[in-house]
Amino acid sequence: DSGVTQTPKHLITATGQRVTLRCSPRSGDLSVYWYQQSLDQGLQFLIQYYNGEERAKGNILERFSAQQFPDLHSELNLSSLELGDSALYFCASSEQGANTEAFFGQGTRLTVV
Amino acid sequence: DQQVKQNSPSLSVQEGRISILNCDYTNSMFDYFLWYKKYPAEGPTFLISISSIKDKNEDGRFTVFLNKSAKHLSLHIVPSQPGDSAVYFCAASATSGGSNYKLTFGKGTLLTVNP
Repeated sequence: DSGVTQTPKHLITATGQRVTLRCSPRSGDLSVYWYQQSLDQGLQFLIQYYNGEERAKGNILERFSAQQFPDLHSELNLSSLELGDSALYFCASSEQGANTEAFFGQGTRLTVV
Repeated sequence: DQQVKQNSPSLSVQEGRISILNCDYTNSMFDYFLWYKKYPAEGPTFLISISSIKDKNEDGRFTVFLNKSAKHLSLHIVPSQPGDSAVYFCAASATSGGSNYKLTFGKGTLLTVNP
């Protein structure tokens, strides 16, 4: 158990819909990262938050947005969903101020039909 | 632009032998490197890391080697065990840029250890 909790584990929704993925980081971790893993692809970095502020952006579509709340949990919002958005979405958290590894949740498998 | 490349999508080895997984990177700002292991239906789990000030780091059966001049790192698993069968991701980070520790991942190598 990495200590990072992601909900839901599975999500099936229709094209055009909007969904919210939730992540609770490890206790004490200030940084949250979101990654997308599509079929045959590696882990694509989407966005990083540190203590409530956006710190880095990767290949995140404009239809996607995220935020980190005062209690440090994070949500990834995906809207106007397309078939190609079907993927595993991972959240990870890390401790800042040192060279430490990121701990990953078990992921949310999103299927857009 | 793939900054971290794992050119072998898969690798098959016999139990007890050495597994060598390779990774190349292009961004000279990367100074911290990690290997993650991923089983199906689970999130990646951290395996071992190395800072650019070192060229080798060992943890039990796992050793990571870093060749900065070649921008190449490798993970050695000795001896390989069937339970090591998983997808292995190489990741890199540019930690000198402040608190941005985002990890850039390769596409992964599927390791199969045959009994």
